Amino acid sequence: KDQVFQPSTVASSEGAVVEIFCNHSVSNAYNFFWYLHFPGCAPRLLVKGSKPSQQGRYNMTYERFSSSLLILQVREADAAVYYCAPRCSGNTPLVFGKGTRLSVIA
Amino acid sequence: DAGVIQSPRHEVTEMGQEVTLRCKPISGHDYLFWYRQTMMRGLELLIYFNNNVPIDDSGMPEDRFSAKMPNASFSTLKIQPSEPRDSAVYFCASRGTANSPLHFGNGTRLTVT
Repeated sequence: KDQVFQPSTVASSEGAVVEIFCNHSVSNAYNFFWYLHFPGCAPRLLVKGSKPSQQGRYNMTYERFSSSLLILQVREADAAVYYCAPRCSGNTPLVFGKGTRLSVIA
Repeated sequence: DAGVIQSPRHEVTEMGQEVTLRCKPISGHDYLFWYRQTMMRGLELLIYFNNNVPIDDSGMPEDRFSAKMPNASFSTLKIQPSEPRDSAVYFCASRGTANSPLHFGNGTRLTVT
């Protein structure tokens, strides 16, 4: 069964750069999605791509079976759960990792 | 656009009762997904529809779970009878084409006592 792996928790100090790793065993994945989730709200797309990309303070690295999300100048407001999801070709749905809870130390 | 709309936001029920969760996808989106979120398993896909037709329900945990999509603007997820281990946040999401990103609703937090 395809699996997606990411650490359950990551801690960072304010102002630092934090990196959240994700790797998977989905053989026909060609793209990566990173979603951000604040409890009580709808998870929302943060960054996606099939190559390294940047969206504001969020950078994404990409290799065939892994991706990292880098958050620059981390703030307390970034404390949330981050989900990665490799994207397969065709109409297959997104399969998410279990999520990484980011805690930020002031 | 109002986005994906789910109701209710919170549901508290007793074990054995029937629970119905509702979802209105974004207008024009052909795909609708039901996910369940728990601390242990993260976001698990339960079932998804394409053009109102169920495509894959292999993620539905048991026969107590059922989902319908009678038309393009409405879907329900039903649990009958409910059990305490069903307590979780249930998300509905929709997308337009196969390559477009998912848009999630705010979720329904279900508590079964």
